Amino acid sequence: QQQVKQSPQSLIVQKGGISIINCAYENTAFDYFPWYQQFPGKGPALLIAIRPDVSEKKEGRFTISFNKSAKQFSLHIMDSQPGDSATYFCAASITMGTGFQKLVFGTGTRLLVSP
Amino acid sequence: GAGVSQSPSNKVTEKGKDVELRCDPISGHTALYWYRQSLGQGLEFLIYFQGNSAPDKSGLPSDRFSAERTGGSVSTLTIQRTQQEDSAVYLCASSLVLLAGLETQYFGPGTRLLVL
Repeated sequence: QQQVKQSPQSLIVQKGGISIINCAYENTAFDYFPWYQQFPGKGPALLIAIRPDVSEKKEGRFTISFNKSAKQFSLHIMDSQPGDSATYFCAASITMGTGFQKLVFGTGTRLLVSP
Repeated sequence: GAGVSQSPSNKVTEKGKDVELRCDPISGHTALYWYRQSLGQGLEFLIYFQGNSAPDKSGLPSDRFSAERTGGSVSTLTIQRTQQEDSAVYLCASSLVLLAGLETQYFGPGTRLLVL
């Protein structure tokens, strides 16, 4: 119930291509779906996030598509660049009464964008 | 200002020893989280501190793990009698909770713990 399933585990995309990472969840109480980007030796950093009342959110080259009925969401990276090579984590959270945002993370996707 | 800092960046210890990991959150952030990141796994929630409220310890894997936050700022995660399965990257994050559900967690670089 608390799991977020992420695929693929790794992804190689040519420069200029589209990178797509998929996530699925079970718990319908999740109310916030962020994506984090992590470079080696660094902590994860928030990339983009969406709430379930919206089907799509776009920020620059990054787009989240959200399908509430299927309980799935995905990250699309358009015009992928070598600098996008990193590990990407999807997450889902439930906001508790005190503001505590309990994040449940997917297992991560290692993206390599070849020059 | 500075981001979340953690120390040490790397820690090698022997099985059975105790370790202390430190987190300095972003100044003014009221919420502080500890996560564990094992190889090939996602981030696993460990504990949450918010202001003066009682911490949420629901993610701590065993009673060998404990954490405290002094003065609403610096936090220390302590692992007693370390085991090899405790080897992981321990990440700290902080956030400013303005409204419920409207917060961004800022992560530190983590402490890589290796238990031999």
